[in-house]
Amino acid sequence: RKEVEQDPGPFNVPEGATVAFNCTYSNSASQSFFWYRQDCRKEPKLLMSVYSSGNEDGRFTAQLNRASQYISLLIRDSKLSDSATYLCVVNKGSGNTPLVFGKGTRLSVIA
Amino acid sequence: EPEVTQTPSHQVTQMGQEVILRCVPISNHLYFYWYRQILGQKVEFLVSFYNNEISEKSEIFDDQFSVERPDGSNFTLKIRSTKLEDSAMYFCASSYDDEQFFGPGTRLTVL
Repeated sequence: RKEVEQDPGPFNVPEGATVAFNCTYSNSASQSFFWYRQDCRKEPKLLMSVYSSGNEDGRFTAQLNRASQYISLLIRDSKLSDSATYLCVVNKGSGNTPLVFGKGTRLSVIA
Repeated sequence: EPEVTQTPSHQVTQMGQEVILRCVPISNHLYFYWYRQILGQKVEFLVSFYNNEISEKSEIFDDQFSVERPDGSNFTLKIRSTKLEDSAMYFCASSYDDEQFFGPGTRLTVL
């Protein structure tokens, strides 16, 4: 089983649509969970950390289900500028441990 | 907003040559990392560094690789004898807690 598994997409959605991405991870020792966004040939940029209680940042909502080892990201009211690859990322254990990345889900928002 | 910087942005080298990739982490961060991303693949962890020593390294980080923090600001990755398969984007990251922030990367091309 892959360490972090994501649907590669692409997801092609019209502006204003709501889109959801899912991710599963295999390491039950992982303690920290993140969504990063990566534009073509650029660095990963931290979008948000993900907590068991769920968290929201504007149009973005992230959820974590530790029992199922499942992470989700919901984007509401999609903008053209949301077009990017969304990376599901977990750490290897507690504290400042290395990050393990999924391959990413590609999103294209179309006018 | 403080950010991680990396130089050079692009490095072209001949197989067998040594390269040094440079990074300036965010100033109050204590943990430093190198990751790489081969074109079309996921981001992979290479090495982490804390308190002037390697804290963890991956299988990729073999004897050809070394890291150093030569002064209070720079963090370097050296590849002693480059191979064709070392061609990739190399990202430096730093963190204070579990959130890691990435630099813009160095694109290494080995001919």
